[in-house]
Amino acid sequence: EVQLVESGGGLVQPGGSLRLSCAASGFTFSDHYMDWVRQAPGKGLEWVGRTRNKANSYTTEYAASVKGRFTISRDDSKNSLYLQMNSLKTEDTAVYYCARVTGYSYGLDYWGQGTLVTVSS
Amino acid sequence: DIQMTQSPSSLSASVGDRVTITCQASQDISNYLNWYQQKPGKAPKLLIYDASNLETGVPSRFSGSGSGTDFTFTISSLQPEDIATYYCQQYDNLPFFGGGTKVEIK
Repeated sequence: EVQLVESGGGLVQPGGSLRLSCAASGFTFSDHYMDWVRQAPGKGLEWVGRTRNKANSYTTEYAASVKGRFTISRDDSKNSLYLQMNSLKTEDTAVYYCARVTGYSYGLDYWGQGTLVTVSS
Repeated sequence: DIQMTQSPSSLSASVGDRVTITCQASQDISNYLNWYQQKPGKAPKLLIYDASNLETGVPSRFSGSGSGTDFTFTISSLQPEDIATYYCQQYDNLPFFGGGTKVEIK
């Protein structure tokens, strides 16, 4: 069974940093691109960024709203995905989901349960 | 960036009704469009990929069509368990979600 479990959310002050983790199981993690998607309270979905797989040199892409502040990384030996968030702003407050990109399209076919990040003084 | 305009933002329909949601891209995205369902407090679920392909296990009352800039998502016969917010997502360039459509029962 495919599972994605996020952790690391919490309350952080504006300008602070936080690192989210996503533990994957039930599939060959190293084969897949992985995304982060967030959802502010009561709002819609916002794509945050992507890491490609080893075959594609682990390249990353980011939404304009987080580029230069957020960094996505992965450790295939640990089946883990990470999101390092620096210079956090109040507008980064959201539930953060990790999601698997399918192997046959660019849809996100499995999602974690999400972890809440609150940026507030 | 390619913007996605999704409409309506909300709708109310009766059980058994046909429900249609549209998504318009700001430029040609071929068939690079997915549709998701999100129930309150839950993670989104992929329903349709590549504009018209039904994800495994998704009921056949859900369908998608379109290419280029105009796309349609249809529930052929609305069921109570379909109450959710639906999102389109393009992936021609960087992925981008539409604003969502909240579907309620009348």
